[in-house]
Amino acid sequence: EAQVTQNPRYLITVTGKKLTVTCSQNMNHEYMSWYRQDPGLGLRQIYYSMNVEVTDKGDVPEGYKVSRKEKRNFPLILESPSPNQTSLYFCASSFTADSGEQYFGPGTRLTVT
Amino acid sequence: GEDVEQSLFLSVREGDSSVINCTYTDSSSTYLYWYKQEPGAGLQLLTYIFSNMDMKQDQRLTVLLNKKDKHLSLRIADTQTGDSAIYFCAESYNAGNMLTFGGGTRLMVKP
Repeated sequence: EAQVTQNPRYLITVTGKKLTVTCSQNMNHEYMSWYRQDPGLGLRQIYYSMNVEVTDKGDVPEGYKVSRKEKRNFPLILESPSPNQTSLYFCASSFTADSGEQYFGPGTRLTVT
Repeated sequence: GEDVEQSLFLSVREGDSSVINCTYTDSSSTYLYWYKQEPGAGLQLLTYIFSNMDMKQDQRLTVLLNKKDKHLSLRIADTQTGDSAIYFCAESYNAGNMLTFGGGTRLMVKP
């Protein structure tokens, strides 16, 4: 089954404790992206990757890191999480940067206390 | 910068048509999308339209684009209770595929 998976689905952590949210797709997509969803703000892009070893900042990159060592994986890293990073996070992928359709993962709900 | 706006809430009766509206500011948008998000689930792409089109129909869904007014709408015919969800409008440029989303419209369908 073609899909985008994220882990964990739910995470409660404390300020300053490094964490990684994994994202994996099995569709051989070149383009991958991370979004956060907050009430009243909709979805905002954090980082995106056009291909392996190619990453770039989205609209709200502060406090986040990403890596793209392999085509299928695009982890989101919070080196020192803060309460304002409490949010719902979505990973997405598409065949190329120009293709019209992105496939979204199920979301990761993160709470930072 | 670019901005995408939607009304927050829409309530309709089962069997009626729903029309969800969206406005955007960036005239260079190439793709315009509608996504559906059900409770506890990720986003599901419903349909998208290229900026050189005025209308796209897909079963119960009709997308209308008024490029002059930068207005996009999604019409759902014969709305069902299973259509209750949050609907997001989004736009993107041709390159880079960075999507800019609206805040979402919560559709409630009453039996």
